[in-house]
Amino acid sequence: DTAVSQTPKYLVTQMGNDKSIKCEQNLGHDTMYWYKQDSKKFLKIMFSYNNKELIINETVPNRFSPKSPDKAHLNLHINSLELGDSAVYFCASSQGGKNIQYFGAGTRLSVL
Amino acid sequence: KNQVEQSPQSLIILEGKNCTLQCNYTVSPFSNLRWYKQDTGRGPVSLTIMTFSENTKSNGRYTATLDADTKQSSLHITASQLSDSASYICVVRQTGANNLFFGTGTRLTVIP
Repeated sequence: DTAVSQTPKYLVTQMGNDKSIKCEQNLGHDTMYWYKQDSKKFLKIMFSYNNKELIINETVPNRFSPKSPDKAHLNLHINSLELGDSAVYFCASSQGGKNIQYFGAGTRLSVL
Repeated sequence: KNQVEQSPQSLIILEGKNCTLQCNYTVSPFSNLRWYKQDTGRGPVSLTIMTFSENTKSNGRYTATLDADTKQSSLHITASQLSDSASYICVVRQTGANNLFFGTGTRLTVIP
């Protein structure tokens, strides 16, 4: 069974569009994260949610908004997509903020 | 400034040989250090997690060391296999602030 699953795996869209990436974890973890990995393979944390409460919010554009309908899901919504948003986005989860994070397979976003 | 630096940036070794990857950090106060393996097109997978009091931790052919005084860690891979080809990422957690700092990774290629 997949522990952390993201959909879609690939997303190609035009500038200015709004898109969402979904993430679900079946590990019973209480904390979920979104990371952006750029072309240089550097992972940068964007958001984390603990029991539906935003506890980390790095300086990302407000076009990005995390949405958590329940503690097993943390979706990433992006408004007015820009070329620079092209990257691989990873979802992760952990039990508590200090324990090992389990990552999804990533969503490759290409903005044309 | 809190930073995590890894070296070398890339490494090519013959199958069966050993190698050592380095991670130097300036993150303070220190909570723990993790090594992740990221296969191409996949999400990172945790290899080890080490706290301040731990000097060495092994996971199969992977052995991580930590010197909290000099703020250095290494990941030693023994008897490398083709499947070890991946990026290895060092991540340091900061105490209290719940912040994670990622290194840019070392790209390891094992050739037959």
